[in-house]
Amino acid sequence: EDQVTQSPEALRLQEGESSSLNCSYTVSGLRGLFWYRQDPGKGPEFLFTLYSAGEEKEKERLKATLTKKESFLHITAPKPEDSATYLCAVQGPGGGNKLTFGTGTQLKVEL
Amino acid sequence: DAGITQSPRHKVTETGTPVTLRCHQTENHRYMYWYRQDPGHGLRLIHYSYGVKDTDKGEVSDGYSVSRSKTEDFLLTLESATSSQTSVYFCAIRGTDTDTQYFGPGTRLTVL
Repeated sequence: EDQVTQSPEALRLQEGESSSLNCSYTVSGLRGLFWYRQDPGKGPEFLFTLYSAGEEKEKERLKATLTKKESFLHITAPKPEDSATYLCAVQGPGGGNKLTFGTGTQLKVEL
Repeated sequence: DAGITQSPRHKVTETGTPVTLRCHQTENHRYMYWYRQDPGHGLRLIHYSYGVKDTDKGEVSDGYSVSRSKTEDFLLTLESATSSQTSVYFCAIRGTDTDTQYFGPGTRLTVL
C-alpha cells in the first residue's frame, strides 16, 4: 500500500525566512510525485511533477527536489501570498493513474 | 483552470436522503476522478472513470456509486447519505498527454 507522510503539519515563517517542507513516501515503483498548493475553500492547484531521483523543478520562489525516499519543497524568501496548504501525492504502478495524498503542510508567512 | 465545474457548490441534507453531485468538464478528457477531503486524512479517492460507462473503485468507495453516460459529466451518488459522508468532495481530470490531475473547486456536503 502506498503511503505519504508530510512534515511539519504546520509551519509559520516570517517574510523572507526560507525553509523546506518534507514529503516522505513508500511506493512500490514510483511513477510520479506531485506537489499541489491549496488555498482555503478552493481545489488543489498543481505545482510540480517529479519522476525520478535527482530531478528538480523550480517556479518563482518554489523548488521541488526528489530522492528515492522523499521530496522537499524549498521556499526561498517567502511572501505572505505563499501562505497555503501544500499537498504531496504519489502515483504508483497500478492502473488508473491513481494518486495517494499526504495530509499536507499548512504554511503561514507573516510580515 | 482545467475547465471543471462542480455542482452544487454547497449542500445540506438529512441522513437517509439520496444525493447526487455533478462534475462537468469542457475539454474532452478521458479520465475523471472523485475524491473526498477530511481533516487528518487528506484527499482520498472514491471512484474514477477511464471512459464513458467505464468506472472503477478507489480507496473509499463504500456507500458511493458513480455514473458516466457522456464524456463531459461524471456523477457521484450517495444512495442514502450518512453523517460520516459529511466532507468536501473534489472532482479531478487527468490532463492530456500527462499524468497530472487537475482539480475542480469542490462541493461542501453536510449530512445532518
